[in-house]
Amino acid sequence: KQEVTQIPAALSVPEGENLVLNCSFTDSAIYNLQWFRQDPGKGLTSLLLIQSSQREQTSGRLNASLDKSSGRSTLYIAASQPGDSATYLCAGDMRFGAGTRLTVKP
Amino acid sequence: GAVVSQHPSWVICKSGTSVKIECRSLDFQATTMFWYRQFPKQSLMLMATSNEGSKATYEQGVEKDKFLINHASLTLSTLTVTSAHPEDSSFYICSARDGSEATDEQYFGPGTRLTVT
Repeated sequence: KQEVTQIPAALSVPEGENLVLNCSFTDSAIYNLQWFRQDPGKGLTSLLLIQSSQREQTSGRLNASLDKSSGRSTLYIAASQPGDSATYLCAGDMRFGAGTRLTVKP
Repeated sequence: GAVVSQHPSWVICKSGTSVKIECRSLDFQATTMFWYRQFPKQSLMLMATSNEGSKATYEQGVEKDKFLINHASLTLSTLTVTSAHPEDSSFYICSARDGSEATDEQYFGPGTRLTVT
């Protein structure tokens, strides 16, 4: 069964900074990995899905990578904005990490 | 894009009663739906996988007689919390896969907040 870990648990950055969120998983035979954002008290918004045959996906200022051999995925956010403040969750084969709570300060 | 709805969005019930939560895929057919629960400041925990027309597969530690899941059609799955207790208070979220898509992307509902008094 896949186990997913996210580091750091919380991150605070000034507006405009580029940042990286990390996600690690235990089973390299991962089927897919998906990144989400969750605003307080709300549901999940899907950001990017990476299939096992892919190495990365990009959407706007977001880029997610998948390295199965090392059991890692990263979510890169370019030119961060206060509106990016949320909890970011990664899920490998439907197993969720605990999330990284991001605060982007104006 | 694919839309998943949940009803109700929040519910308060008394201890000992049962509560039904609906999850619908509005513009696609969902052969597989998933039910998660999320406690405050914690991540989502998969409870069960629901396949249309067959019995749900429950994760270890989830009581199938307490959390009844029915996936009677390709657009509707229901979760019934039976004999609810305060410790069942949580945020319940469903997700669905579009059976026609080549990808395995999950589309999430907005969640249902259950409070048991």
